[in-house]
Amino acid sequence: DQQVKQNSPSLSVQEGRISILNCDYTNSMFDYFLWYKKYPAEGPTFLISISSIKDKNEDGRFTVFLNKSAKHLSLHIVPSQPGDSAVYFCAANMNRDDKIIFGKGTRLHILP
Amino acid sequence: SQTIHQWPATLVQPVGSPLSLECTVEGTSNPNLYWYRQAAGRGLQLLFYSVGIGQISSEVPQNLSASRPQDRQFILSSKKLLLSDSGFYLCAWRSPGGTQYFGPGTRLLVL
Repeated sequence: DQQVKQNSPSLSVQEGRISILNCDYTNSMFDYFLWYKKYPAEGPTFLISISSIKDKNEDGRFTVFLNKSAKHLSLHIVPSQPGDSAVYFCAANMNRDDKIIFGKGTRLHILP
Repeated sequence: SQTIHQWPATLVQPVGSPLSLECTVEGTSNPNLYWYRQAAGRGLQLLFYSVGIGQISSEVPQNLSASRPQDRQFILSSKKLLLSDSGFYLCAWRSPGGTQYFGPGTRLLVL
């Protein structure tokens, strides 16, 4: 039973445009959400997080939006750059529990 | 600042051979530590986690084991590797705020 779902295995976006990566979750007890970026043969890098008390968190080109009623979050990257080509993992946690639940990832391709 | 090390970076092992992967963390005390595996083209699978020395929680029954002999050391082992053990192994530590930070990973190829 997948509690965190990234339904798009891959996404292609033109350089300079906005990239929108989506994530859905099923457990309403999740209260902390994270996005990670992963290049091949490297460990995931923490990008940005959001607490359930907020609906938006912004850090430079990266913005995460949280819609609790829809159990949906999204990562916006504006403007998209070639170095953004990577796999992005959505993750969720409850009550700062020991475990984080990861989605299966979305591969983002930034086209020149 | 905190850093996490994993070695080796790459390992090629024959089926049936033993395995030992090491992870160490610097700059933090008593961290939660985690072992994940990413099989080719798949997501991150949590294998083991530890909340303290000698304390290991197993998430997936298999021929792997984990140990935490010291506060900042986490070891992943196997007595006999299987072909299906091939993958990319990641160690992570958890900050008090709940974010996990990953090491550089070890690529294991079992032949």
